[in-house]
Amino acid sequence: AQSVTQLGSHVSVSEGALVLLRCNYSSSVPPYLFWYVQYPNQGLQLLLKYTSAATLVKGINGFEAEFKKSETSFHLTKPSAHMSDAAEYFCAVSDQGEKLTFGTGTRLTIIP
Amino acid sequence: DTGVSQDPRHKITKRGQNVTFRCDPISEHNRLYWYRQTLGQGPEFLTYFQNEAQLEKSRLLSDRFSAERPKGSFSTLEIQRTEQGDSAMYLCASSPRNSGNTGELFFGEGSRLTVL
Repeated sequence: AQSVTQLGSHVSVSEGALVLLRCNYSSSVPPYLFWYVQYPNQGLQLLLKYTSAATLVKGINGFEAEFKKSETSFHLTKPSAHMSDAAEYFCAVSDQGEKLTFGTGTRLTIIP
Repeated sequence: DTGVSQDPRHKITKRGQNVTFRCDPISEHNRLYWYRQTLGQGPEFLTYFQNEAQLEKSRLLSDRFSAERPKGSFSTLEIQRTEQGDSAMYLCASSPRNSGNTGELFFGEGSRLTVL
């Protein structure tokens, strides 16, 4: 069975500071990995995905994530936080099938 | 073009009543998914359809839950004899035929159920 663990249910960073949201995965087969973002009162949106091509994946809004097989990690980063980045972020894994397994989410707060 | 739409957005019901949620996917998408999200948790998979065929159901989907997609377009999720533990956000998502197995889903805004 696949799973993801998101370390830190709440993360606060100052505007302009580095954003780092952590995700570790467990999968018995090469995984597909995703980051989704949920803004208040909106549906989840795909930020970026890893599907066994380049290990460094660039997404929307300046976010990127690096797949590290040796560490079973897929951490999400953004060099400089913006107020509009405040949202809940979910890491998810797929075993190349149809079903996504989500983590419990990390709520990102941006401090002005 | 509209995204995935869900109706109703909010539903308050008394324990023991039946409720039904509707999902209209993006028109050219042939796959449709239902997830459930409770407070402080990530979305949990319930079931999915390819066209009108229901291909997988989670063990979370008890016999009080039924989902249909009769013509391969919109879908309904019915909960019979609701219990307080059914209170959650019910999310619908769809994906296009050419997404393969990359898991890129397009989500609706969800239907929030409160069971009193």
